[in-house]
Amino acid sequence: GDSVTQMEGPVTLSEEAFLTINCTYTATGYPSLFWYVQYPGEGLQLLLKATKADDKGSNKGFEATYRKETTSFHLEKGSVQVSDSAVYFCALRHIQGAQKLVFGQGTRLTINP
Amino acid sequence: DAGVIQSPRHEVTEMGQEVTLRCKPISGHDYLFWYRQTMMRGLELLIYFNNNVPIDDSGMPEDRFSAKMPNASFSTLKIQPSEPRDSAVYFCASSLIGNLAGELFFGEGSRLTVL
Repeated sequence: GDSVTQMEGPVTLSEEAFLTINCTYTATGYPSLFWYVQYPGEGLQLLLKATKADDKGSNKGFEATYRKETTSFHLEKGSVQVSDSAVYFCALRHIQGAQKLVFGQGTRLTINP
Repeated sequence: DAGVIQSPRHEVTEMGQEVTLRCKPISGHDYLFWYRQTMMRGLELLIYFNNNVPIDDSGMPEDRFSAKMPNASFSTLKIQPSEPRDSAVYFCASSLIGNLAGELFFGEGSRLTVL
């Protein structure tokens, strides 16, 4: 079945550091890929998305590129802020067939001033 | 626009009591999902509906859990009887299949504590 694997957390960085959170997936066909973010005490919010190979999703300075050849969707940001501290989830969903959203285990990110 | 609305936001109950969680999806959405989040198991899909019909309930832990969607604007997740191991945050999410990417929109969750 479909699965998503994220890099182990927690990740701790200093403000203005470069961020990469790795995400790889296993799926048939061409699922849509997502990054969701969960701030403390809140629900999940969509951060960015990509629907086909080589698409780049971007939002709030974060970027991720849908790489079919490496089945990856790594999240990057050039300069993180304290306010980026949250849990980040990579996920996939097929539009055809089974419709459920499959999540990775989440990566907790802490940014220190 | 109103997002996904869940109630209650917090529930504290004693073991053996019945718990009912409620969800109002975004108007016009045709998929509704119930997830559970714990530190140990992360995010788990419990059940999802399409056009009010349950499609996959394989994630429902046991017979103590049941979910209904009587109409397009309301769903409930019921636990009877509740147990301490049911303590978790329960999220409801909805989506519209006509959306190209198919992203889910989540509510703020219902935090359940069973003593």
